Amino acid sequence: EIQMTQSPSSLSASVGDRVTISCRASESVSTWLAWYQQKPGKAPNLLIYVASTLQSGVPSRFSGGGSGTSFTLTISDLQPEDFATYYCQQAQTFPYTFGQGTKLEVK
Amino acid sequence: QVRLVQSGAEVKKPGASVKVSCKTSGFTFTDFYMHWVRQTPGEGLQWMGIINPNGGSTTYAQKFQGRVTMTRDPSTRTVYMELSSLRPEDTGVYFCARVSIVGEEPFDFWGQGTLVTVSS
Repeated sequence: EIQMTQSPSSLSASVGDRVTISCRASESVSTWLAWYQQKPGKAPNLLIYVASTLQSGVPSRFSGGGSGTSFTLTISDLQPEDFATYYCQQAQTFPYTFGQGTKLEVK
Repeated sequence: QVRLVQSGAEVKKPGASVKVSCKTSGFTFTDFYMHWVRQTPGEGLQWMGIINPNGGSTTYAQKFQGRVTMTRDPSTRTVYMELSSLRPEDTGVYFCARVSIVGEEPFDFWGQGTLVTVSS
C-alpha cells in the first residue's frame, strides 16, 4: 500500500501567519491527492482535491500544490478557525491511505 | 441538503461483532460510492472499504478482509458496515463517506461518526 508521510507533525503559528504543510507519498499518486481539516469530535472536512482544486465553500486562503510524490497545503493569513488537524489522503489506489496528521496550534 | 446519519455509539466485548448503519438523504443514492473509514488512537485514519450502490459489489482493505462486511439497502438509502471478531484495538470512531461515481472529489460528505468501544 502507498504510505503517506506528513511534516511537520505539529506546528505553532499566529493569526495572520502563512503556513505550509508537506505530504510525501511512497510512490507516485499523480495528482490524486486530497487535503482535509478535522476539528475535535468532528468528521474530516474536504479542503482540496486532485492536489490543487479548492472544494466549494472553502476559503481561498487555502491552496494546494504538487504532483507525483510531493505535495503541499498552504494556508495564508491564518484565521482563528483554522487551528485544527490537517490530513493528506491519496486517492490513486486502493487501499486509500492517509497521512498521520499535522496539528496546527496557536503560538 | 446532503446528510449521512450514522447509528449510535456501541460497546462490545472482545470477539463480538458490531453493525453500524449510515442513512443517506439529499442526493441520488446510486450516483455515489459509499466508503467506510475508521479513526483509532493507534493508527489514525484508515480506509476500510467501498460499496457500489449499484449492485452492492464491494472492495475491502486487506487489513480487514474476512472480518468486514459492507451491505446496502437501496429502499431505505442506507449502507451498513459489520465488523466481526472485535478486539480492543478496534476501538475508535467509524465514519461513512461518499465519493461521486463520476466526479474527481474524494470524500466530500461524511457521516457524524460512530464510536465503537471494545472492552471486556
